[in-house]
Amino acid sequence: QVQLVESGGGVVQPGRSLRLSCEASGLTFSRYGMHWVRQAPGKGLEWVAFIWHDGSNKYYADSVKGRFTISRDSSKNTLFLQMNSLRAEDTAVYYCARDGDLPITMIRGVIGVFDIWGQGTMVTVSS
Amino acid sequence: EIVLTQSPATLSLSPGERATLSCRATQSVSTYLAWYQQKPGQAPRLLIYDASNRATGIPARFSGSGSGTDFTLTISSLEPEDFAVYYCQHRSNWPPFTFGPGTKVDIK
Repeated sequence: QVQLVESGGGVVQPGRSLRLSCEASGLTFSRYGMHWVRQAPGKGLEWVAFIWHDGSNKYYADSVKGRFTISRDSSKNTLFLQMNSLRAEDTAVYYCARDGDLPITMIRGVIGVFDIWGQGTMVTVSS
Repeated sequence: EIVLTQSPATLSLSPGERATLSCRATQSVSTYLAWYQQKPGQAPRLLIYDASNRATGIPARFSGSGSGTDFTLTISSLEPEDFAVYYCQHRSNWPPFTFGPGTKVDIK
């Protein structure tokens, strides 16, 4: 079955870097756009970044723009999130999610519904 | 940026009762609205997309309605496994994709 498995989380000091991975299985990874969504402890969901199926376009939330970079390696069925200049407010569970495989109208080439989610990986930014 | 608000923040109900959750957008999102369910320690799960379409495997007791700025998620008869937090999310005029703050449905 379709599965997304995140890894790479941990405890990191403010200002340092971390790279998250999300390995996909059970799907043709190169066909789908992919998102990162995060959730601070006890808080709601926040969309972080999106990458097109072929990696040609990338979009970011203002809160991470210039610090985070989304990328993918379709030969390894893996999505990445490079996080630099980390701040305390980046502390969260980070989920990868598939851009939906749904019979609906795309908006500017994107479905924008998250139909498959990984289990999440926790990132704690603390000194 | 489109902001979504959800009400109530918490809904206390008993199994078998009907749950009605509201999501309101600061500007029209047409019908480009989704609903997710999240249980403690778990990832969110897609329930409804484009306002009224159930995702694969979602029971018929879940239904969505609305358009423009006002949307409703209805659970016709609460089962024990339905007690969770529910989030709405729009896909109109992105980026960003934004979520509402959530409604917690707990056991009365």
